[in-house]
Amino acid sequence: NAGVTQTPKFQVLKTGQSMTLQCAQDMNHNSMYWYRQDPGMGLRLIYYSASEGTTDKGEVPNGYNVSRLNKREFSLRLESAAPSQTSVYFCASLGGLVNTEAFFGQGTRLTVV
Amino acid sequence: ELKVEQNPLFLSMQEGKNYTIYCNYSTTSDRLYWYRQDPGKSLESLFVLLSNGAVKQEGRLMASLDTKARLSTLHITAAVHDLSATYFCAVANFGNEKLTFGTGTRLTIIP
Repeated sequence: NAGVTQTPKFQVLKTGQSMTLQCAQDMNHNSMYWYRQDPGMGLRLIYYSASEGTTDKGEVPNGYNVSRLNKREFSLRLESAAPSQTSVYFCASLGGLVNTEAFFGQGTRLTVV
Repeated sequence: ELKVEQNPLFLSMQEGKNYTIYCNYSTTSDRLYWYRQDPGKSLESLFVLLSNGAVKQEGRLMASLDTKARLSTLHITAAVHDLSATYFCAVANFGNEKLTFGTGTRLTIIP
């Protein structure tokens, strides 16, 4: 049982380049999330998807797009990377059962130069 | 808009002492979570709290929830060095499923 798998683990981009961060979960969870973590800022929600076919903005959506490809996969795209998007990105998933906690991927460390 | 605040943001404590981390949230929520994060690592789930008065314990950590006060606490008993980490609380609601995190508390246990 892999849980939540994020790729890549590390990435360096030049300003203006684009890339897609991939996330997949194998727990049949309905909800999936993308967060960014910057020093001293905690985890800030970029986008989330409460179910297959729906996506909603979080606190810091500007500069990002997402796709909930199917129930398992939720991707995050940076169309034109900026240095301000240098961060650690985490994907998470959450089931619908009452006692279920959210599970996190291992994170993607992105540097935009 | 839901806001989640933790305090303190930084906490240095001696081994063997007790302390409490506080998590306040601004609107009614169905679920409250506590997570631990070690430097350079991902988040690890500690507790899920669902109802008013809920209390859960694991080792030297105990979490409680007061939904009327919109407050959760994470109590550390007789701290040991292994508990050094950053602790986050998070809240979510059934229905919209938005999961919002607090800013975290960086805990350092000093021998």
